[in-house]
Amino acid sequence: AQSVTQLDSHVSVSEGTPVLLRCNYSSSYSPSLFWYVQHPNKGLQLLLKYTSAATLVKGINGFEAEFKKSETSFHLTKPSAHMSDAAEYFCVVTRRPSYSSASKIIFGSGTRLSIRP
Amino acid sequence: DAGVIQSPRHEVTEMGQEVTLRCKPISGHDYLFWYRQTMMRGLELLIYFNNNVPIDDSGMPEDRFSAKMPNASFSTLKIQPSEPRDSAVYFCASRSGGSDTEAFFGQGTRLTVV
Repeated sequence: AQSVTQLDSHVSVSEGTPVLLRCNYSSSYSPSLFWYVQHPNKGLQLLLKYTSAATLVKGINGFEAEFKKSETSFHLTKPSAHMSDAAEYFCVVTRRPSYSSASKIIFGSGTRLSIRP
Repeated sequence: DAGVIQSPRHEVTEMGQEVTLRCKPISGHDYLFWYRQTMMRGLELLIYFNNNVPIDDSGMPEDRFSAKMPNASFSTLKIQPSEPRDSAVYFCASRSGGSDTEAFFGQGTRLTVV
């Protein structure tokens, strides 16, 4: 079965410093992994996705994530935080039930990112 | 395309009333997902459809919840009777193709049951 664990419920960094949001996954086959962002009172927006091509994936707003199979990790990073990055971030994996080829989308519990001035 | 469209954006109803949430997926997408978001439980998958057929409804909390997808361009999530603990933001999302494609989300319906 596929699942995803976000290791930190809340991360706080100063503006201009690096961001690291951690995500570990479990998967019985090559997973598709995503990061979504949700700004306050807004819907969810795709940041980036990994689909077995390059292991380092670049997304919008300067974010990137590296797929590390040996560590079963897909951590999200950004070199320099901006105030507008304050939001909730979700790590996502797709999962397929044994009785169907139709895969579903499983969200992690989310990490709230706060940016200090 | 206008994206995934949900209606209403906000709904306030009294306990015991029937509530119907609506979703129009992106044209051509063959998957549709219903999620519920609360502070306590985060984002929970309630049910999802593939080609209008429900694939997995194990996330539906109880018999008071039902979802339908009568055609490729419309889905409803119904709660009858509603209870205060159903208060949450309900998101609809759609996706085209296989497991490596991203889902697009609507803006959500904020439901308050008083």
